[in-house]
Amino acid sequence: TQLLEQSPQFLSIQEGENLTVYCNSSSVFSSLQWYRQEPGEGPVLLVTVVTGGEVKKLKRLTFQFGDARKDSSLHITAAQPGDTGLYLCAGGEGGSNYKLTFGKGTLLTVNP
Amino acid sequence: NAGVTQTPKFQVLKTGQSMTLQCAQDMNHEYMSWYRQDPGMGLRLIHYSVGAGITDQGEVPNGYNVSRSTTEDFPLRLLSAAPSQTSVYFCASSSMPGAWGGQFFGPGTRLTVL
Repeated sequence: TQLLEQSPQFLSIQEGENLTVYCNSSSVFSSLQWYRQEPGEGPVLLVTVVTGGEVKKLKRLTFQFGDARKDSSLHITAAQPGDTGLYLCAGGEGGSNYKLTFGKGTLLTVNP
Repeated sequence: NAGVTQTPKFQVLKTGQSMTLQCAQDMNHEYMSWYRQDPGMGLRLIHYSVGAGITDQGEVPNGYNVSRSTTEDFPLRLLSAAPSQTSVYFCASSSMPGAWGGQFFGPGTRLTVL
């Protein structure tokens, strides 16, 4: 089973600050997905990246897939309280395209 | 579209009891999965299905059964509940295999086994 390590585990910042969270593995993934989960709800897909070196932007969120497809990062510019939540990365396992492996998540709190 | 629906939202069981967690999707997705989410453990795959009549085991299948008689429904059965099965259970569906297609998650079922 491939593992995905997310860091930091917890992050508390002030509104307006920038931040980056990381998703790392020693294994190669066919794709990386990022989700945000709010308390009491299911995860919601933010983005899927499939090409090494790929960068995708979603408003103030920038996602990057590492060149070797072993890691990914999520950068948030000028964080807002509405960005608060659990950010999860998930990778497609090598050898099987049907399964996703999830990291344990980064819990982000943006204080007003 | 309702998306992915799960019932019940909350459930308390006694050790040894059985129950079925219901999951339905109205997006005509071929792929459906069940995950459990525990503090410090992240989301772990229990079982998944690649179409009606086809299911397979995920990372933590012991103590759970699934079946997929229709495209829309993917129930999860707990055969004899144990305290270790206390968790939040999420059902998810996608139009493409998990590695390629974004998963649509239901709102979850919070299960406590006493």
